Amino acid sequence: AQSVTQPDARVTVSEGASLQLRCKYSYSATPYLFWYVQYPRQGLQLLLKYYSGDPVVQGVNSFEAEFSKSNSSFHLQKASVHWSDSAVYFCALSMHYNQGKLIFGQGTKLSIKP
Amino acid sequence: NSKVIQTPRYLVKGQGQKAKMRCIPEKGHPVVFWYQQNKNNEFKFLINFQNQEVLQQIDMTEKRFSAECPSNSPCSLEIQSSEAGDSALYLCASSLGGTGQLYFGEGSKLTVL
Repeated sequence: AQSVTQPDARVTVSEGASLQLRCKYSYSATPYLFWYVQYPRQGLQLLLKYYSGDPVVQGVNSFEAEFSKSNSSFHLQKASVHWSDSAVYFCALSMHYNQGKLIFGQGTKLSIKP
Repeated sequence: NSKVIQTPRYLVKGQGQKAKMRCIPEKGHPVVFWYQQNKNNEFKFLINFQNQEVLQQIDMTEKRFSAECPSNSPCSLEIQSSEAGDSALYLCASSLGGTGQLYFGEGSKLTVL
């Protein structure tokens, strides 16, 4: 069955430091992959998406992610985090045949130290 | 800012009471999704529509959950007889269809006492 795993439930980094949030997926074909962010008491906002082509995708607020078919991964990265990046981040997968329905990972709560 | 409008933002119900949430999808989006997000950040797909027709839905054998997307009216999700385990954030999302990205509303947080 298809699945998404975010192995880190919580990540804490210092402001200005670099960030990587990990995401692994399980799907036999090439998936469509997304990263969403959820701020407290809000819905989900799309950071970036991968459909095909260049495995490195750029998103909003200087986030980027790299798709790796060999590693079944889609890790999110940012060169320098800001306190406002504190939120919960979700990796999600969609398959070409399922009308866009998303399968979500468990989320990673990001905390930024001053 | 989300263009998917969900109301109410919060609702509190007693066990056995009816709970109804509404969603206005982004203009021009024919596909609407409902997800349940629990306190452990686990997402459960509930149902999706294309225009007024159901595309996919979970097995609602308990029949407590129902949803509809009538033409020219907001979509709605209703729980006939709320249970404590229904306490969650209910998220509505819309898309252009196919593999188009989902745009989420801010959710309706249901608390069942």
